[in-house]
Amino acid sequence: EVQLVESGGGLIKPGGSLRVSCAASGFTFSNAWMSWVRQAPGKGLEWVGLIKSKSYGATTDYAAPVKGRFTISRDDSKNTLDLQMNSLKTEDTAVYYCTTVHSGSNSYWGQGTLVTVSS
Amino acid sequence: QSALTQPASVSGSPGQSITISCIGTSSDIGAYNYVSWYQQHPGKAPKLMIYEVSNRPSGVSNRFSGSKSGNTASLTISGLQAEDEADYYCSSCTSSNTLCVFGGGTKLTVL
Repeated sequence: EVQLVESGGGLIKPGGSLRVSCAASGFTFSNAWMSWVRQAPGKGLEWVGLIKSKSYGATTDYAAPVKGRFTISRDDSKNTLDLQMNSLKTEDTAVYYCTTVHSGSNSYWGQGTLVTVSS
Repeated sequence: QSALTQPASVSGSPGQSITISCIGTSSDIGAYNYVSWYQQHPGKAPKLMIYEVSNRPSGVSNRFSGSKSGNTASLTISGLQAEDEADYYCSSCTSSNTLCVFGGGTKLTVL
């Protein structure tokens, strides 16, 4: 059974940094492309970014609002996915979901971790 | 990339069929067949219902179907059931599976 468990969310002041993680199990993580999707309170889904598997160079891509501030990385030895968020803004407040990627879709989702950016 | 356009809400009675539209552009929906649909119940994580325009993942009811014409994708739910009441989101990704965009979401009410 595929399981994705996010952690690391919390309250952070504007301008601060936070790292959230996703522990994956139930599938061959090293072969998987992974992404982060966020959802602001009461709002819709927003694609954040993606990291390909190492066989595709582990290359990353990001949505315009987070490019240059957020970094996605992976540790295939630990089956973990990370999202490093710097220069956080109040508009980054959201539940952050870790997902698997397949054929242009987000196949499996974690339960999400809430990041609140507020002074 | 701009968000895809969905109606804010749709409704239907049990047993009826409804269709949710998702309007994009020639740069997203019109250019690629990587259109997917997600169902989200309150307080829960989204669930993939349709991928690659019209494919259903294992375990998803065949009451759910997807299609695309030009720059518009559609999700049809037939034989509406109370448990279908949820928010539905469409998404489109580029051919390299990067640079994805979601629709604003549609709230489905089963009357």
